[in-house]
Amino acid sequence: KAGVTQTPRYLIKTRGQQVTLSCSPISGHRSVSWYQQTPGQGLQFLFEYFSETQRNKGNFPGRFSGRQFSNSRSEMNVSTLELGDSALYLCASSFGGALGEQYFGPGTRLTVT
Amino acid sequence: GNSVTQMEGPVTLSEEAFLTINCTYTATGYPSLFWYVQYPGEGLQLLLKATKADDKGSNKGFEATYRKETTSFHLEKGSVQVSDSAVYFCALSDLEGNTPLVFGKGTRLSVIA
Repeated sequence: KAGVTQTPRYLIKTRGQQVTLSCSPISGHRSVSWYQQTPGQGLQFLFEYFSETQRNKGNFPGRFSGRQFSNSRSEMNVSTLELGDSALYLCASSFGGALGEQYFGPGTRLTVT
Repeated sequence: GNSVTQMEGPVTLSEEAFLTINCTYTATGYPSLFWYVQYPGEGLQLLLKATKADDKGSNKGFEATYRKETTSFHLEKGSVQVSDSAVYFCALSDLEGNTPLVFGKGTRLSVIA
């Protein structure tokens, strides 16, 4: 079974721009979660989608948004990029309610200049 | 709210040394507990888990026991290898797995030959 895939793997953007990251979960998984990983803050939960509905949301500003499609693929969008948004963005999928047992993708490394 | 505290790293060990990475948690109720591992350039992988008090999770020679009385879930391995070099994250979720994972800050382990 193919793992979680994320595209692109690396991205360089300028302050003020917006960016869209994509995540394809493991086949059959209906829950997709997004995390931001930085050296200073560690892993922080952004949001979780289940069957196209946002089920959980972390403490991030409204510039961070996401969605999930009927095939469970998910995208997250960050508008008006700031330098502090530079991070590794990780996507994770799980079958359903088992949010604890998640399967992570390799991440998208976003650099904002 | 729920929180996880891990020992600060980095930890440097010689091959075949004994490993302990401490993890304590604060949570309401009885959470599920997890250890995830992140190898260089990769996303996180579930290493082991425990869902109730006195449960022992184990995988690849690693073990951790859910200690409710001390609210701890320390990771141990009897003989580390160079290939174990990675960042280790302790995490928790509620018993039903319906809340997002809460991660510790991570502990970087380097094993030298």
